[in-house]
Amino acid sequence: DVKVTQSSRYLVKRTGEKVFLECVQDMDHENMFWYRQDPGLGLRLIYFSYDVKMKEKGDIPEGYSVSREKKERFSLILESASTNQTSMYLCASSLVGDGDGYTFGSGTRLTVV
Amino acid sequence: GQNIDQPTEMTATEGAIVQINCTYQTSGFNGLFWYQQHAGEAPTFLSYNVLDGLEEKGRFSSFLSRSKGYSYLLLKELQMKDSASYLCAVKTGANNLFFGTGTRLTVIP
Repeated sequence: DVKVTQSSRYLVKRTGEKVFLECVQDMDHENMFWYRQDPGLGLRLIYFSYDVKMKEKGDIPEGYSVSREKKERFSLILESASTNQTSMYLCASSLVGDGDGYTFGSGTRLTVV
Repeated sequence: GQNIDQPTEMTATEGAIVQINCTYQTSGFNGLFWYQQHAGEAPTFLSYNVLDGLEEKGRFSSFLSRSKGYSYLLLKELQMKDSASYLCAVKTGANNLFFGTGTRLTVIP
């Protein structure tokens, strides 16, 4: 019954590496989102996409990029990982105008050393 | 700017009732959501309010007053498994949710 799948649960990367976080949903949702969650700061929106090949910046896009080549897949890219990008990353999807809100993936705990 | 305020932590006794408040000031409003998040897990949807009033769903109820920028989540007959963080979120545009920092609820025997 898995609906939003994030490729890795835990990830350790070195400073300066290029990092790819993958997210796949099987609910045919138009919208997909990437958030990071940090203690005391809550969930902050990095990027979102409302259609294939479309992307919009969220509140904290610096140091990140995204790719949405297919409707079901939304990738978050850290171009050159830094220690301040150590965080829990959550992917979510939703229908347009969906009163049920988001469906979240299980999250990826990324540590940059 | 946008802001959502909710208490950082709350403690309540098993079997009791607890109310978690949320106040918001956002640039747009298309509904308010409550999510539950157990430690180390993804947030899961609890409730959605777009009109003023109370929405009841089993042991959980959520209230909204748009004129006051205020919502609360009411949990009745508390169980130990209700120990979790509760996130208040406002849909500010057609698709985006803006989240508060969450309230960590601890249920004690």
